[in-house]
Amino acid sequence: GAVVSQHPSWVICKSGTSVKIECRSLDFQATTMFWYRQFPKQSLMLMATSNEGSKATYEQGVEKDKFLINHASLTLSTLTVTSAHPEDSSFYICSSQGNSNQPQHFGDGTRLSIL
Amino acid sequence: QKEVEQNSGPLSVPEGAIASLNCTYSDRVSQSFFWYRQYSGKSPELIMSIYSNGDKEDGRFTAQLNKASQYVSLLIRDSQPSDSATYLCASDQTGANNLFFGTGTRLTVIP
Repeated sequence: GAVVSQHPSWVICKSGTSVKIECRSLDFQATTMFWYRQFPKQSLMLMATSNEGSKATYEQGVEKDKFLINHASLTLSTLTVTSAHPEDSSFYICSSQGNSNQPQHFGDGTRLSIL
Repeated sequence: QKEVEQNSGPLSVPEGAIASLNCTYSDRVSQSFFWYRQYSGKSPELIMSIYSNGDKEDGRFTAQLNKASQYVSLLIRDSQPSDSATYLCASDQTGANNLFFGTGTRLTVIP
């Protein structure tokens, strides 16, 4: 199956720190990448959708200046949580999609804990 | 109104039994449907995708779609303890590429 690598898998840092999460599509070119957030015992909530070379489209309620997304190539997208605070602690998951007719494949997720 | 709804469970079945997971969706535009399995602390893993009415079988898994009733289900035959996980139903509006997830059904298979 498709492999999507996400790094780091776990981050613990102090409040005010910026954290960058990488999502790599290892065996196919990802036209579109998605970033999700999942709080404990809740479902995945889409944060933003990014297409290679374009600005990301953010879902309502997600601050684009706080969650910076870069999708510079067909195999790499990054999410930077700027000036993270404890309420940003969550499980962040990326997914990649080759084209709109294909299902999304998820990375292993990044558990972010802000102290 | 939620896009995709699932019973949160927990659903418990004995080993070897059939586990039946159900999902309803509200948007008639939805054309693609997916079942993902998520183990605790892990990312979702795609199990099945279904696009047309009827049944689709893959090994021990069978997905059923009824667009008229806006209903999609997943049957797991010969359930194993390793099937214990949360199962997420998702729908994808054609052209929108946005997956709407249900809250998931937690399945426990009792040895």
